[in-house]
Amino acid sequence: QVHLQESGPGLVKPSETLSLTCTVSGASIRGYYWNWIRQAPGKGLEWLGYIYYTGSTNYNPSLKSRVTISVDTSKNQFSLKLSSVTPADTAVYYCARGNYNFPFDYWGQGTLVTVSS
Amino acid sequence: EIVLTQSPGTLSLSPGERATLSCRASQGVSSTYLAWYQQKPGQAPRLLIFGASNRATGIPIRFSGSGSGTDFTLTINRLEPEDFAVYYCQQFGSSPWTFGQGTKVEIK
Repeated sequence: QVHLQESGPGLVKPSETLSLTCTVSGASIRGYYWNWIRQAPGKGLEWLGYIYYTGSTNYNPSLKSRVTISVDTSKNQFSLKLSSVTPADTAVYYCARGNYNFPFDYWGQGTLVTVSS
Repeated sequence: EIVLTQSPGTLSLSPGERATLSCRASQGVSSTYLAWYQQKPGQAPRLLIFGASNRATGIPIRFSGSGSGTDFTLTINRLEPEDFAVYYCQQFGSSPWTFGQGTKVEIK
């Protein structure tokens, strides 16, 4: 069974960098697109970007170059960095698996990140 | 950016009734790249429909999707108590990938 688990600090100060890691088990990270999605409290879903296992990326331009996604195939993990955070970045952050011509079939449980001093 | 507009915002129905949810795109979306998700409180979204009309693994047959171009529909026949949740459509054919704002199906 494929399982994704997000990990990282639950509290980040304004102007600092949010860093999260998603560990994939039950499947290889190779051959898929690995995504980050967030959901502000009481709001809808926002796709942040993806990384292909080869390292190619695609980011949502709304984040204005603040986002970086990287992959470590040796650890079956991928990571999110979001710089210069503000309270508006407070959200539950999800990682999810996608594939060519196929949407997000496996999701992590999500992790709440609060931006506050 | 393709904007997906879901309607209605909230649907109040009783168990056993049929739910019809709409997702309208600001420009054409290939059916291949249109998906529907279900989200319950405190849980991650769950994939229901891919390719506009194909049920994901383990999804009951009461869930069905249809549509093409700019208009897509999710239908839930004979609502079960566990179907009361928020539903999102998503397009992933044109970057940035986008979600609709969601339709909440609540118990009447």
